[in-house]
Amino acid sequence: GAGVSQSPSNKVTEKGKDVELRCDPISGHTALYWYRQSLGQGLEFLIYFQGNSAPDKSGLPSDRFSAERTGGSVSTLTIQRTQQEDSAVYLCASSLTGLAGGTDTQYFGPGTRLTVL
Amino acid sequence: AQTVTQSQPEMSVQEAETVTLSCTYDTSESDYYLFWYKQPPSRQMILVIRQEAYKQQNATENRFSVNFQKAAKSFSLKISDSQLGDAAMYFCAYRSSFTYSGGGADGLTFGKGTHLIIQP
Repeated sequence: GAGVSQSPSNKVTEKGKDVELRCDPISGHTALYWYRQSLGQGLEFLIYFQGNSAPDKSGLPSDRFSAERTGGSVSTLTIQRTQQEDSAVYLCASSLTGLAGGTDTQYFGPGTRLTVL
Repeated sequence: AQTVTQSQPEMSVQEAETVTLSCTYDTSESDYYLFWYKQPPSRQMILVIRQEAYKQQNATENRFSVNFQKAAKSFSLKISDSQLGDAAMYFCAYRSSFTYSGGGADGLTFGKGTHLIIQP
């Protein structure tokens, strides 16, 4: 079956512009995760959705970052007023459930490389 | 908060040889999950192997096996009969057994990664 897909694959934007990154999880997966991968910080966990709700948004780097998930499926990560330090690869993952145990294995998408000029 | 340390930024091995990638972690929890992910240049993170902390038996998946030492908080990955397709970044990751607890417990905590080079 289809894996996790993300769009766009690459995004170049100018400082101060808003961007939206999209994630399509594996069909039937209730849990969805966003991570950021940058040279300086490595892989950072940003936010987790169980269904359409995010229990904890404290991992988002600043209030310029927001995320939503609708219909228990597609999620968008929005970065407002982008800054150069937002340049990174944004990875999305999904798992069958968010419950720790055999069903929580996370499957990753190919990521979106964001470059802020 | 949990931390994961991979002390080898880069490793090189001859094709068909065996290589071991090391990983240590720090946690106060007694139950958790550990993973090794592979990331080739395509950027896609691929699960290599998974270990539940409550299981004493080391996980194996074909040519990949782990040496899980819970008391030492060590979780190394052994790749036998290395192949050119094994060349990639390898990340060790930790996941708490708690869910819906916030504080980042629901996500994976990753190490900085080890770049594995396979020499033909």
